Amino acid sequence: SQTIHQWPATLVQPVGSPLSLECTVEGTSNPNLYWYRQAAGRGLQLLFYSVGIGQISSEVPQNLSASRPQDRQFILSSKKLLLSDSGFYLCAWAGTVSPLHFGNGTRLTVT
Amino acid sequence: AQTVTQSQPEMSVQEAETVTLSCTYDTSESDYYLFWYKQPPSRQMILVIRQEAYKQQNATENRFSVNFQKAAKSFSLKISDSQLGDAAMYFCAYRGDNYGQNFVFGPGTRLSVLP
Repeated sequence: SQTIHQWPATLVQPVGSPLSLECTVEGTSNPNLYWYRQAAGRGLQLLFYSVGIGQISSEVPQNLSASRPQDRQFILSSKKLLLSDSGFYLCAWAGTVSPLHFGNGTRLTVT
Repeated sequence: AQTVTQSQPEMSVQEAETVTLSCTYDTSESDYYLFWYKQPPSRQMILVIRQEAYKQQNATENRFSVNFQKAAKSFSLKISDSQLGDAAMYFCAYRGDNYGQNFVFGPGTRLSVLP
């Protein structure tokens, strides 16, 4: 069966520091991969999605970037975090006709 | 572009009663998929139920069922025999039939279950 791992679960970082959130999927090949952000009590904002290695689509201009160095690995990065980057980040995968399957999320606090 | 609307920001239901959450969507596609996700306080996103647009029969998963009205572009979720553990944010989501198609989420409905 397919599983998705996302880490870390919680992260506290100072303003201006770099960020790297990682997500890996097991049990499937060539999945679509997604990064979402969710403010407290709010809906989901799609940040990036990828349909293959090296193929990244950005939905929201910001100081975040994403990379997909391997088929089942998706990384969210920033060179310098802003206070506004605080939030709950969710990685997810989907197959051709499947629903989204989410990781457990990362709670990021920028101080 | 597709849109998903959930017109009820908050709902409440008495334990053991039935509640219906509304969802409407806008699309020009004929084939697509619809989903309901539950997000409890842990914030984990849990798939509750799915519906393929080409299927006329409404999906059912235990106490959860949907009322899918394709012509009206409506996809409501009914929760029967509500339990305290059903308290959560519920998101309606749409997926088009193209590989790589983004998922479109509604803004969510916060459901409270009263003992």
